[in-house]
Amino acid sequence: EAGVTQSPTHLIKTRGQQVTLRCSPISGHTSVYWYQQALGLGLQFLLWYDEGEERNRGNFPPRFSGRQFPNYSSELNVNALELEDSALYLCASSLRTGGLQPQHFGDGTRLSIL
Amino acid sequence: GNSVTQMEGPVTLSEEAFLTINCTYTATGYPSLFWYVQYPGEGLQLLLKATKADDKGSNKGFEATYRKETTSFHLEKGSVQVSDSAVYFCALSGEGGGNKLTFGTGTQLKVEL
Repeated sequence: EAGVTQSPTHLIKTRGQQVTLRCSPISGHTSVYWYQQALGLGLQFLLWYDEGEERNRGNFPPRFSGRQFPNYSSELNVNALELEDSALYLCASSLRTGGLQPQHFGDGTRLSIL
Repeated sequence: GNSVTQMEGPVTLSEEAFLTINCTYTATGYPSLFWYVQYPGEGLQLLLKATKADDKGSNKGFEATYRKETTSFHLEKGSVQVSDSAVYFCALSGEGGGNKLTFGTGTQLKVEL
């Protein structure tokens, strides 16, 4: 069974630019989650999508947004990049049966802002 | 809101030593509890889970028991190996937090020969 796949693996951007990160969930999983792992800040929840709808959002500004496609894959968009957006962005997927189901993670996209 | 507290690292052990990483939580109701492991340069891998009080999750020699009375989910392994060197994260989800995972700060484990 293929796991969660994320692309690209690494990105280098400059302040003010925009970036799009992509995630393909495990086959059969309908929920997709995005997390930010920034140095010194730990793992922070960003967004949860299920059946194409945004279900929950973490404490991040509106320039962080995303969407989920009919095939359940997802994109995370970050506009007006700032230096503090440098982080590992992790995508996870799960079956849509509430918090009882574990989330399975991809290897992440490492975003560096110069 | 929900929160998870893990023991500070790094933890350095000799091979075959006993491992305990403490984890306590604050949450409403009955959350599900998880341990994830992150190897260098990789994402998180699910290590084990427990979904109700007194459940014991186990995998690859690691164990953790969901203790409602002490709001704890301590990770243990009887004999660690060098290959267990990684960062370990305790997390919870559900009940008042929706589906999102709330993580502890992570505990780095280094196992030496």
